[in-house]
Amino acid sequence: KAGVTQTPRYLIKTRGQQVTLSCSPISGHRSVSWYQQTPGQGLQFLFEYFSETQRNKGNFPGRFSGRQFSNSRSEMNVSTLELGDSALYLCASSLGGTSGNTIYFGEGSWLTVV
Amino acid sequence: TQLLEQSPQFLSIQEGENLTVYCNSSSVFSSLQWYRQEPGEGPVLLVTVVTGGEVKKLKRLTFQFGDARKDSSLHITAAQPGDTGLYLCAGRYDLNDYKLSFGAGTTVTVRA
Repeated sequence: KAGVTQTPRYLIKTRGQQVTLSCSPISGHRSVSWYQQTPGQGLQFLFEYFSETQRNKGNFPGRFSGRQFSNSRSEMNVSTLELGDSALYLCASSLGGTSGNTIYFGEGSWLTVV
Repeated sequence: TQLLEQSPQFLSIQEGENLTVYCNSSSVFSSLQWYRQEPGEGPVLLVTVVTGGEVKKLKRLTFQFGDARKDSSLHITAAQPGDTGLYLCAGRYDLNDYKLSFGAGTTVTVRA
């Protein structure tokens, strides 16, 4: 069974631009969450969606947003990019029915802001 | 605010040696997961533990979940260079909590 798929894998953007990252969860998984990973802060939770509804949100500014589609695919958007947004953005999926479901990660999207 | 601590931060050992990584929290976990991550890749799930006192074995890896569900350890026996990577523990604190809180990770290097 295919794992969590993220696109693009690598991208370079200029400060002030915006970026959209895409995530396709494991088939049958309805929960998708997003994390930011940086050397200094480690893995930080961004937000989680289930059945197109945001259930949890981390402590990130409003420039970070996301959405989930009816087929459970998800996108996250970062507007007005800053140099500090350079990071590995990880998408993860789970069945989502209860909090005990195991979370599986994709390979991530490497964003570099110059 | 829950605090999840991993130790040590770095471990460098010779092939064939054993190692243990620790994960501790000030609060009780409802469940805890261990992941290994290699450079440029996403974390790969190793194990999920949910019951206090639980011990799980995965070949040369042994995972323990503390009786009080506030701590966990990962022990690797006879480490191999292929065990090199960043080991992350991640926990959920609440049954209604759908996010994972991660430790800072332990970078393990196994020298041939």
